[in-house]
Amino acid sequence: GDSVTQMEGPVTLSEEAFLTINCTYTATGYPSLFWYVQYPGEGLQLLLKATKADDKGSNKGFEATYRKETTSFHLEKGSVQVSDSAVYFCALSDRDGRRALTFGSGTRLQVQP
Amino acid sequence: DTGVSQNPRHKITKRGQNVTFRCDPISEHNRLYWYRQTLGQGPEFLTYFQNEAQLEKSRLLSDRFSAERPKGSFSTLEIQRTEQGDSAMYLCASSPNRRDEQYFGPGTRLTVT
Repeated sequence: GDSVTQMEGPVTLSEEAFLTINCTYTATGYPSLFWYVQYPGEGLQLLLKATKADDKGSNKGFEATYRKETTSFHLEKGSVQVSDSAVYFCALSDRDGRRALTFGSGTRLQVQP
Repeated sequence: DTGVSQNPRHKITKRGQNVTFRCDPISEHNRLYWYRQTLGQGPEFLTYFQNEAQLEKSRLLSDRFSAERPKGSFSTLEIQRTEQGDSAMYLCASSPNRRDEQYFGPGTRLTVT
């Protein structure tokens, strides 16, 4: 079945550092890919998405590119802020049928001032 | 704000009791999903509805679990004869037709003592 693998956390960075959170997936067909973010005490929020190979999703300075050849969707940000501290989840959706999300286990990011 | 709402936000119950959770999706979203999230893990798919029809149930959903979506609006998730292993965050998400992204509610945290 479908699966998503994320790098384990926590990832601890200083403010203004460069961020990469790795995500790889296994899926049949051509899934849509997502990053969701969960801030402390809040629900899951959609951060960005990409629906086909070579698409780049971007939002709030975060970017991720759908790489079909490496089955990856790594999240990057050029300069993190303390307010980016959260748990980040990579997910995929099968594009036929139920379109349920399959999530990775999440990566906690801690940004220190 | 017309996001997804869930009630109650927290529920503490004794083993063997029945509990019911409610989800109100974003208006006019045809699809509604239930997920379960345990500590340190990503959400796992439980079941989904297209309008009022329940189209799929995960193998995670034992016979003690039942979900409904009467009239294709709000949904309820009932757990009968709760067990300690049912302790988790129960998440609801909704999605508009022909779109992949899902919008999540804040969740209901269930603790079974």
